[in-house]
Amino acid sequence: EPEVTQTPSHQVTQMGQEVILRCVPISNHLYFYWYRQILGQKVEFLVSFYNNEISEKSEIFDDQFSVERPDGSNFTLKIRSTKLEDSAMYFCASINEQGFSPLHFGNGTRLTVT
Amino acid sequence: TQLLEQSPQFLSIQEGENLTVYCNSSSVFSSLQWYRQEPGEGPVLLVTVVTGGEVKKLKRLTFQFGDARKDSSLHITAAQPGDTGLYLCAGLIQGAQKLVFGQGTRLTINP
Repeated sequence: EPEVTQTPSHQVTQMGQEVILRCVPISNHLYFYWYRQILGQKVEFLVSFYNNEISEKSEIFDDQFSVERPDGSNFTLKIRSTKLEDSAMYFCASINEQGFSPLHFGNGTRLTVT
Repeated sequence: TQLLEQSPQFLSIQEGENLTVYCNSSSVFSSLQWYRQEPGEGPVLLVTVVTGGEVKKLKRLTFQFGDARKDSSLHITAAQPGDTGLYLCAGLIQGAQKLVFGQGTRLTINP
């Protein structure tokens, strides 16, 4: 069964540094998402992306965050200047159509900001 | 802000017992999904319920969507140690494009 893949699985970075988290969604999917999960807390929506533009973003997704689909396969999340509180698991997800389709999640990137 | 309240947040029971996890909201959802998440992995879909009042069964797991599509429950019969894990409910907001998650229920089944 096709999978959403994320790299790296674990990223350690220093506060203030830029990080790029990468995702390869399922190939025929059209809608892409980033979620994050701080340790011990709930899964939180960050941003949704469709037709090469952001369709919705949460209040967490401030100017330090950006997303891009640079080619036909990759979907990236960039954090421009990381803060300690950005430490979390970041999950990419995709679906092929809106409505009732369930999200397919990757296994996440654990970001640790020191 | 749409909130999904999941209860209980923690549940520890003996093998063979039955349990129910609840997911409640004041918002109406076009669908509701239950996921299971293992440590260090992403959520894995168990079931999607769409119609108010819908009941779906997955072996010993029974999922129900409330008539008003605001709440859902997960019932496990004769729980086994393999059922141990984090269970998440998530609702698809009508007219929006995002899934909203509950806080999760961390279930432990003791042999």
